[in-house]
Amino acid sequence: KNQVEQSPQSLIILEGKNCTLQCNYTVSPFSNLRWYKQDTGRGPVSLTIMTFSENTKSNGRYTATLDADTKQSSLHITASQLSDSASYICVVSSYTGNQFYFGTGTSLTVIP
Amino acid sequence: SQTIHQWPATLVQPVGSPLSLECTVEGTSNPNLYWYRQAAGRGLQLLFYSVGIGQISSEVPQNLSASRPQDRQFILSSKKLLLSDSGFYLCAWSLQGGDTIYFGEGSWLTVV
Repeated sequence: KNQVEQSPQSLIILEGKNCTLQCNYTVSPFSNLRWYKQDTGRGPVSLTIMTFSENTKSNGRYTATLDADTKQSSLHITASQLSDSASYICVVSSYTGNQFYFGTGTSLTVIP
Repeated sequence: SQTIHQWPATLVQPVGSPLSLECTVEGTSNPNLYWYRQAAGRGLQLLFYSVGIGQISSEVPQNLSASRPQDRQFILSSKKLLLSDSGFYLCAWSLQGGDTIYFGEGSWLTVV
């Protein structure tokens, strides 16, 4: 069964600290993996995309990693800011029939 | 560039009243279109998707329906709303055979 699981479900960190969010998937065949940021009451916005051959990709303070062998991805946020408070959703796409599989998200709260 | 518009942004409706949420995509042709619902603190639930005009697939049986009267227009409807229909509704699109999904800004529906 194609599934995407994220951990932790929620996370509270102090401003300026780093954090790492996890995503494990069983989707096959794998096309790519995207991390989205969803601010409260807004639509998700893509942060990074990882294809099968990519191990790491950065977008400013966000760094995503992908281990296609173990089917795990992580999103590392460096020097967190209050504006990083949001839900982070891992989405895996499959070549089969335009399928997108969503994790339930990690709710991140950055406190001053 | 492609854009997606979704309206209304917020809606408060009494139980038993009808619903119509509209979504349009610009800058592309023959996109796949999707309606998702997100309950408070929960993940995204796929409600409907469409691969072409008049072609609608329902993922979850319920009192909602979807229609695609034009290539880039997707409408979510209900004849009689239930309290359980309250939530955050997201329209999204992807290219045919594409590996990325793009979201609208969302619509908050509160049924009272």
